[in-house]
Amino acid sequence: NAGVTQTPKFQVLKTGQSMTLQCAQDMNHEYMSWYRQDPGMGLRLIHYSVGAGITDQGEVPNGYNVSRSTTEDFPLRLLSAAPSQTSVYFCASSGRGNYGYTFGSGTRLTVV
Amino acid sequence: AQTVTQSQPEMSVQEAETVTLSCTYDTSESNYYLFWYKQPPSRQMILVIRQEAYKQQNATENRFSVNFQKAAKSFSLKISDSQLGDTAMYFCAFMKHGPGGTSYGKLTFGQGTILTVHP
Repeated sequence: NAGVTQTPKFQVLKTGQSMTLQCAQDMNHEYMSWYRQDPGMGLRLIHYSVGAGITDQGEVPNGYNVSRSTTEDFPLRLLSAAPSQTSVYFCASSGRGNYGYTFGSGTRLTVV
Repeated sequence: AQTVTQSQPEMSVQEAETVTLSCTYDTSESNYYLFWYKQPPSRQMILVIRQEAYKQQNATENRFSVNFQKAAKSFSLKISDSQLGDTAMYFCAFMKHGPGGTSYGKLTFGQGTILTVHP
């Protein structure tokens, strides 16, 4: 049972480049979310999904896109990377009846 | 919108002693859950303990317990018999839910408290 798998673990991008952070879970969880972690600010919600085909914006959605075509996968797309997007990104999932979220191991992204 | 505040950026404790981490929150919601997550240097986020707001009894998980004061909107974490492996950043988090406990899928986190356990 892999839980929540995030790839890559580390990434360096140049300003203006685009990329996709991958997230997959094998627990048949309905809820999936993306957070970014910055020093002194805790984790902030970027986008979330309550089921396949349903997504919504969180607190800091600008510059990011998501889609949820399957229950298992919830990729996060950076459209045109900016230095302000340098952060650690976490994907998390939860079942409808399970109120504790399971987190992936995170992706450290640096935009230069 | 909900806010979660952890007013202690850093704490330290001696091994085997007890430490309490503070958390306050602000919400107009009636139905919600509160969580404490641990993030060790490995970066992995680990659920420590969960409290359902409608329950008056404080949650306990082995050496971890909470003091939930709903009227004061306070949710502190007590770690007893501290161990070196407890060294980590701890996050308090809030999540509202709908009728029947259905999650809305959104966690709101505090800023975190770095806890160091000294031998």
